Amino acid sequence: KQEVTQIPAALSVPEGENLVLNCSFTDSAIYNLQWFRQDPGKGLTSLLLIQSSQREQTSGRLNASLDKSSGRSTLYIAASQPGDSATYLCAVTGGSYIPTFGRGTSLIVHP
Amino acid sequence: GAGVSQSPRYKVAKRGQDVALRCDPISGHVSLFWYQQALGQGPEFLTYFQNEAQLDKSGLPSDRFFAERPEGSVSTLKIQRTQQEDSAVYLCASSLDEGATKYEQFFGPGTRLTVL
Repeated sequence: KQEVTQIPAALSVPEGENLVLNCSFTDSAIYNLQWFRQDPGKGLTSLLLIQSSQREQTSGRLNASLDKSSGRSTLYIAASQPGDSATYLCAVTGGSYIPTFGRGTSLIVHP
Repeated sequence: GAGVSQSPRYKVAKRGQDVALRCDPISGHVSLFWYQQALGQGPEFLTYFQNEAQLDKSGLPSDRFFAERPEGSVSTLKIQRTQQEDSAVYLCASSLDEGATKYEQFFGPGTRLTVL
């Protein structure tokens, strides 16, 4: 059974810092990995999708990498802003096409 | 372009009541997923449809939970005889099954269910 772990569970940083959020998974036979952000009381917003054949994806200040062999993905946030404050979740989809989610990293960026 | 919508956004039920939660996926999305999210946790898979076919319901916690998608678009998650442990946010997601970003999931805002 796939298990997804996100470290750290919580993070509080001053505005302007570059951040790295980590996601690890136990079964490397994945189809894709997706990073989401969730604001309090809201649904999940898709940030980046990495197919299993890809090594990284970029969108604006966000960059996500994937290393299937080691079962790891990182989400890099450049020049963090208070508006980046949210919970960040990663989800891994395997051959069953059913995603397994981590518990998330709760991020606070203070001015 | 409309995203995934869910209704109601909030539902308060007395223990023992039946509830029905609705999901309208993105038009043309073949796959539809239901998840349950407890406070401070990631979403937990409940069930999955491809068009009108329910391909996996292994995550439904008990036989009080039932989901349907009769015409392959709108889906309803029904919970019978609600219990306090059913209190959670219920999320719906849809995805395409083709193209460069197939299986990318798009989520609705969720329904927050509180059982008193």
